[in-house]
Amino acid sequence: EPEVTQTPSHQVTQMGQEVILRCVPISNHLYFYWYRQILGQKVEFLVSFYNNEISEKSEIFDDQFSVERPDGSNFTLKIRSTKLEDSAMYFCASRQQGATYEQFFGPGTRLTVL
Amino acid sequence: DQQVKQNSPSLSVQEGRISILNCDYTNSMFDYFLWYKKYPAEGPTFLISISSIKDKNEDGRFTVFLNKSAKHLSLHIVPSQPGDSAVYFCAASSSLSGSARQLTFGSGTQLTVLP
Repeated sequence: EPEVTQTPSHQVTQMGQEVILRCVPISNHLYFYWYRQILGQKVEFLVSFYNNEISEKSEIFDDQFSVERPDGSNFTLKIRSTKLEDSAMYFCASRQQGATYEQFFGPGTRLTVL
Repeated sequence: DQQVKQNSPSLSVQEGRISILNCDYTNSMFDYFLWYKKYPAEGPTFLISISSIKDKNEDGRFTVFLNKSAKHLSLHIVPSQPGDSAVYFCAASSSLSGSARQLTFGSGTQLTVLP
């Protein structure tokens, strides 16, 4: 069964460094998302991406964040200058276009900012 | 922002019995609801969904009920199995968020099914 994959599974970085989190969505899906979950908190929406552009973003998704679909398969989240509070699990998700709205999630990347 | 609430952080059920997980929402513009299951160190796994035009959807052992007037939904698992032990998240989306339909999650309920 097709699935969303994410790399790396765990990323440790120093505060102020740039990180890139990578995702390969399910191949026939057209909507792509990033969510994050800070330890002990809810899963929060960051950004959605459709037709090669951002379609929605949350207040969390400020100028430090960017997303890109550099080729036909990868979907990346870049954090330009990481802060301690960026430490979280980051989940990529994707879904088909259509009347149902189920999103399928990857296993997540645990980002630790020191 | 508590638009989707799961008021029970944990629930324990005996194997073979029914598990009922509850979720309340405050945003009347939500029109599609989903349940996800999550094991530690994994991403959320989609379980079942329901559109606001329905009040019930069933898939095998899983049934979701929606009460729009009460802004309440519930997930029934019967019979419960030890492998069902996980955190269950309720999520909702609205057409007002555009075609992207991002999800708003509840805080989750840890279900433990005792053998």
